[in-house]
Amino acid sequence: DTAVSQTPKYLVTQMGNDKSIKCEQNLGHDTMYWYKQDSKKFLKIMFSYNNKELIINETVPNRFSPKSPDKAHLNLHINSLELGDSAVYFCASSQDRQVPQQYFGPGTRLTVL
Amino acid sequence: QKEVEQDPGPLSVPEGAIVSLNCTYSNSAFQYFMWYRQYSRKGPELLMYTYSSGNKEDGRFTAQVDKSSKYISLFIRDSQPSDSATYLCAMSSSSNYQLIWGAGTKLIIKP
Repeated sequence: DTAVSQTPKYLVTQMGNDKSIKCEQNLGHDTMYWYKQDSKKFLKIMFSYNNKELIINETVPNRFSPKSPDKAHLNLHINSLELGDSAVYFCASSQDRQVPQQYFGPGTRLTVL
Repeated sequence: QKEVEQDPGPLSVPEGAIVSLNCTYSNSAFQYFMWYRQYSRKGPELLMYTYSSGNKEDGRFTAQVDKSSKYISLFIRDSQPSDSATYLCAMSSSSNYQLIWGAGTKLIIKP
């Protein structure tokens, strides 16, 4: 009965590879987010979707592409991985775009070698 | 200057002490204030939510907002080793609900 789930939990890959992270929420929320958390624990918003529509697209390299097949799912695809992409990526959701409380998944720890 | 400032710590206190965690902010439009707790290798967990000024209490936790000083606090009474975690503040305005985050304070409760 996990509210926000992500797969995989850990991802270790070589530079230049392409990888995807999946997120699903069963809270019935309309809005979903991707965050990147660096080694100093700072959370940086990357993208947000509301009912499958992209509403936040922060300054993120084009190598990152989100996709929302339906409002319960938000995936993140990363092309040509670089060392600097190593971080923990969190998915979150909120009831809608005007409700500030967000609920987070367990995170995906990405290590690029 | 960052919009939200939070001392990264670590803050180390003995078990049973009262803990005070704080954030300051610069945007007077912020109205929604949250505290998240993040255990090591876990996702942030919403702990407290406050709208506008005032206090909110939930068990051993009290959140305070002082909008005149642009200062928010989280108090933990009778602290336990299980409270050891990183505490992140986050806030937003009604014109832009995107959360603005503090850097997080690492709290260590010593048995």
